[in-house]
Amino acid sequence: DADVTQTPRNRITKTGKRIMLECSQTKGHDRMYWYRQDPGLGLRLIYYSFDVKDINKGEISDGYSVSRQAQAKFSLSLESAIPNQTALYFCATSDLDEGLAGGAETQYFGPGTRLLVL
Amino acid sequence: SQKIEQNSEALNIQEGKTATLTCNYTNYSPAYLQWYRQDPGRGPVFLLLIRENEKEKRKERLKVTFDTTLKQSLFHITASQPADSATYLCALPERLDMRFGAGTRLTVKP
Repeated sequence: DADVTQTPRNRITKTGKRIMLECSQTKGHDRMYWYRQDPGLGLRLIYYSFDVKDINKGEISDGYSVSRQAQAKFSLSLESAIPNQTALYFCATSDLDEGLAGGAETQYFGPGTRLLVL
Repeated sequence: SQKIEQNSEALNIQEGKTATLTCNYTNYSPAYLQWYRQDPGRGPVFLLLIRENEKEKRKERLKVTFDTTLKQSLFHITASQPADSATYLCALPERLDMRFGAGTRLTVKP
């Protein structure tokens, strides 16, 4: 089974609808992330969480909210979807390698959710 | 915040040649830098990490260099194969998270 799973894999919705994207991980990592990817812009961080009680805004959090229900689950919500939120969304987890001074993290990504807002 | 530039959106090379991809950053030199591979419709996959005090790192046919004076990392794939065709992303730590470049799409032609 995949270590990081995302549901749904594809979603078409209409402007103004509320939708939720879900992410689950079996890696046992504390850190989880939500990114969106647009052609030519690369990955941009929406929200991240370092443990169940920790939620932080990323570079582009407006229009999004998140919930960290458990160590293994991190969901992303679009409260009122708009067409420019059409993108590929990735969830990722990471663990900190304490062996490197200051720590180093490697990120493990899910398969992505392709979202189309009409 | 850190600005990351990857040399070109697309790079086409012939099978067997060496592919060289560039990642430049603008601000402070990070403690480490990473390279990821992304195939169409899939999430990025970690390939290599190089620390600021390492000049070069190798893994099979992959080689990464890190020049903190030039603020640049080079990613080389030697003896390239069509299966190496993918988008390659560089990533740097920034404060509490990672910043990714937009990627270079590599196509290796048989």
